[in-house]
Amino acid sequence: AQSVTQLDSQVPVFEEAPVELRCNYSSSVSVYLFWYVQYPNQGLQLLLKYLSGSTLVESINGFEAEFNKSQTSFHLRKPSVHISDTAEYFCAVSEGAGSYQLTFGKGTKLSVIP
Amino acid sequence: NAGVTQTPKFRILKIGQSMTLQCTQDMNHNYMYWYRQDPGMGLKLIYYSVGAGITDKGEVPNGYNVSRSTTEDFPLRLELAAPSQTSVYFCATKGPFTGELFFGEGSRLTVL
Repeated sequence: AQSVTQLDSQVPVFEEAPVELRCNYSSSVSVYLFWYVQYPNQGLQLLLKYLSGSTLVESINGFEAEFNKSQTSFHLRKPSVHISDTAEYFCAVSEGAGSYQLTFGKGTKLSVIP
Repeated sequence: NAGVTQTPKFRILKIGQSMTLQCTQDMNHNYMYWYRQDPGMGLKLIYYSVGAGITDKGEVPNGYNVSRSTTEDFPLRLELAAPSQTSVYFCATKGPFTGELFFGEGSRLTVL
């Protein structure tokens, strides 16, 4: 069975500082990996995904994540955060497009301090 | 394109009442899901469906029922509401090629 661990439940960071949100997964097969973002009182939106190919994937708003197969990790990073990045971030894993199941971590609340 | 639409957005129920959360999608996706989200607990899968007429239990199905008579609609029914069902409920569909989920905006349910 697959599982996802997000090591930090809350991460406070000052504006314009770098941030890393950690995600580790366990699975016995090849996986697809996702980061979702949830702004207050909204649904989840896809931030970025790894399906295959380059292990470094980027979002349109400056986040990036790197798939590390040996460490079974998919950490999310941003070199300089903005107030508008304040949100909850969820890491998720799927055992391929044909799998019905997407397993989510418990989420990390990112608070950007002005 | 509306995507995934959930109604109602907010609802307060008394213990023992019943209600249905509606979910409809216009993306022609076969896979649909119901999750509940509780603070600090992430998302837990209640039920899912791989196509019209086919549903199956997820991680936390007790106290809920679903049906899937059409590709577009996937309602979630609470038969005898309990305080433990106070939560935010999300409906989602899955894209056929990437495994990406598309979420509705959520339905916030309070049971008093």
